Amino acid sequence: SQQGEEDPQALSIQEGENATMNCSYKTSINNLQWYRQNSGRGLVHLILIRSNEREKHSGRLRVTLDTSKKSSSLLITASRAADTASYFCATDGNSTLTFGKGTMLLVSP
Amino acid sequence: DARVTQTPRDKVTEMGQEVTMRCQPILGHNTVFWYRQTMMQGLELLAYFRNRAPLDDSGMPKDRFSAEMPDATLATLKIQPSEPRDSAVYFCASSFGLTYGYTFGSGTRLTVV
Repeated sequence: SQQGEEDPQALSIQEGENATMNCSYKTSINNLQWYRQNSGRGLVHLILIRSNEREKHSGRLRVTLDTSKKSSSLLITASRAADTASYFCATDGNSTLTFGKGTMLLVSP
Repeated sequence: DARVTQTPRDKVTEMGQEVTMRCQPILGHNTVFWYRQTMMQGLELLAYFRNRAPLDDSGMPKDRFSAEMPDATLATLKIQPSEPRDSAVYFCASSFGLTYGYTFGSGTRLTVV
């Protein structure tokens, strides 16, 4: 399985701080995606980075991809309480997306 | 905003009963997925369709699960007979294709007692 693994499993920070989550995967990919899931809700697509890209930005989100290390990171800058959620990376090594177990982020006011 | 609609939102049923979950994908999306989420296993792909044709259902227990897409506006996931280990949240998602982001529904929380 090329399931991505997120690290850390849980992260607790204060509002205004930056949050960094990492994802490692096992096999080659075409693209890597990050999703957010609020408690009791479905997953929401945040950003997609292709294998030939190294960095991508979307608002307060910054994603990096290092295919040589088979790893990606998601940085959320100036975090807000509303960013509290689980964050998942997903890889498409074979065809469909395979999701990791996620990082639970808690942002305290 | 376009959204994927799943029904029912919650379902409690007794072991042995048939359960049918429905999904209305986003109009224009040609790929539809069924995932199951549990605390232990995380998100697991059960089946997916492209242009209504089933492409992969290897993640489903074949003896009790079936997935169909009778038309472009409806995908169904059926469990018969249901078992307590089927308790999970079942998500439907749709996409323009495998290299695009997925749009997920809100899920069906299934409890089999």
